Amino acid sequence: DVKVTQSSRYLVKRTGEKVFLECVQDMDHENMFWYRQDPGLGLRLIYFSYDVKMKEKGDIPEGYSVSREKKERFSLILESASTNQTSMYLCASSFADTLRPPLHFGNGTRLTVT
Amino acid sequence: LAKTTQPISMDSYEGQEVNITCSHNNIATNDYITWYQQFPSQGPRFIIQGYKTKVTNEVASLFIPADRKSSTLSLPRVSLSDTAVYYCLVGDGPTNAGKSTFGDGTTLTVKP
Repeated sequence: DVKVTQSSRYLVKRTGEKVFLECVQDMDHENMFWYRQDPGLGLRLIYFSYDVKMKEKGDIPEGYSVSREKKERFSLILESASTNQTSMYLCASSFADTLRPPLHFGNGTRLTVT
Repeated sequence: LAKTTQPISMDSYEGQEVNITCSHNNIATNDYITWYQQFPSQGPRFIIQGYKTKVTNEVASLFIPADRKSSTLSLPRVSLSDTAVYYCLVGDGPTNAGKSTFGDGTTLTVKP
């Protein structure tokens, strides 16, 4: 069974702090994604990566960066946290080259920035 | 990337069959249709995926008409535990599906 593990379920950070959200998958997936989920806005893609050290911007990359040094790990970085980044953050992974595999999600990190 | 439209919410009762329809008028030839289920405080979970006609698994059925401009997720004999948000996603593989906007999905409430 595929497992996507996000390092924290809940985080509380102060405005201006640098925040790291970590995601690890155990299925050798090429693709990894970071989303944020807000009421009324659905899931919005922040960044994704299709290979080690590769990244592409999603719909809302401003204020975020990512790091993928190893295939199994994808980190989301908030360089200087702001209150409007309070949200549920979801990581997902998938294979790239098989025909119809689904996305596999972690259980999310609820981040509060005060 | 194809945009999808779903009803915001639906109510049902235990034991009933529930059908949730998703519109995707600009679906591309290579796109697949995938449905996910999300419970509170959890990530979305894959339910079913199809390309055309009908697909059935142990959880649900997916009906796709010939023009593929819409699809219907069918949940047989729902129970209270099927109360969740259901998302329809369209893409030509996991990379493009992952880049699609999930939107608000359909909140299904199953009542006793």
